[in-house]
Amino acid sequence: SQQGEEDPQALSIQEGENATMNCSYKTSINNLQWYRQNSGRGLVHLILIRSNEREKHSGRLRVTLDTSKKSSSLLITASRAADTASYFCATDAKGYSTLTFGKGTMLLVSP
Amino acid sequence: GAGVSQTPSNKVTEKGKYVELRCDPISGHTALYWYRQSLGQGPEFLIYFQGTGAADDSGLPNDRFFAVRPEGSVSTLKIQRTERGDSAVYLCASSLPETQYFGPGTRLLVL
Repeated sequence: SQQGEEDPQALSIQEGENATMNCSYKTSINNLQWYRQNSGRGLVHLILIRSNEREKHSGRLRVTLDTSKKSSSLLITASRAADTASYFCATDAKGYSTLTFGKGTMLLVSP
Repeated sequence: GAGVSQTPSNKVTEKGKYVELRCDPISGHTALYWYRQSLGQGPEFLIYFQGTGAADDSGLPNDRFFAVRPEGSVSTLKIQRTERGDSAVYLCASSLPETQYFGPGTRLLVL
């Protein structure tokens, strides 16, 4: 079963614009992670935020976590065509890193 | 260093046949995970190994699915009497604590 739900399902923007994706989940978590997937194959880990953290940055990525609302957001600033991919949030609720993924947001960045 | 590798990249088989999918984790990673991803969905957990033992196999859909990791490194996912509904991308990941590193996946098509 899917724990997280990403919103929107699809997002289309121009290069240079910012992209914001949201994720909601259902149960208490240890941490939340964001992954990127190109062409339906391997997932690339982007960033991990722990349940006691509220915001984290990595390069052009900014992730926020609100455990009271059971939600997270991923912001990609100054987007590039190479950012075109599907983005998934994944939660670790069992304490040994088995991840539960949402359905993903498909991001299209046009030149 | 080398990442997680999976073989074969693609597998086409006929309904009722037996298939084996292989995963070579990153050297030194004790935890190994199998996920299955259907079209348009996020990955869904199948089984988790810590060392040689299956610590959690609650995601295996039925007894046609089985996985082994006899020496605590390479893992094989085995599917007996394949059905068309088994068609999906099968992803393997290995990890040190928290962050999972995914392989490119095996795309299985059951005709």
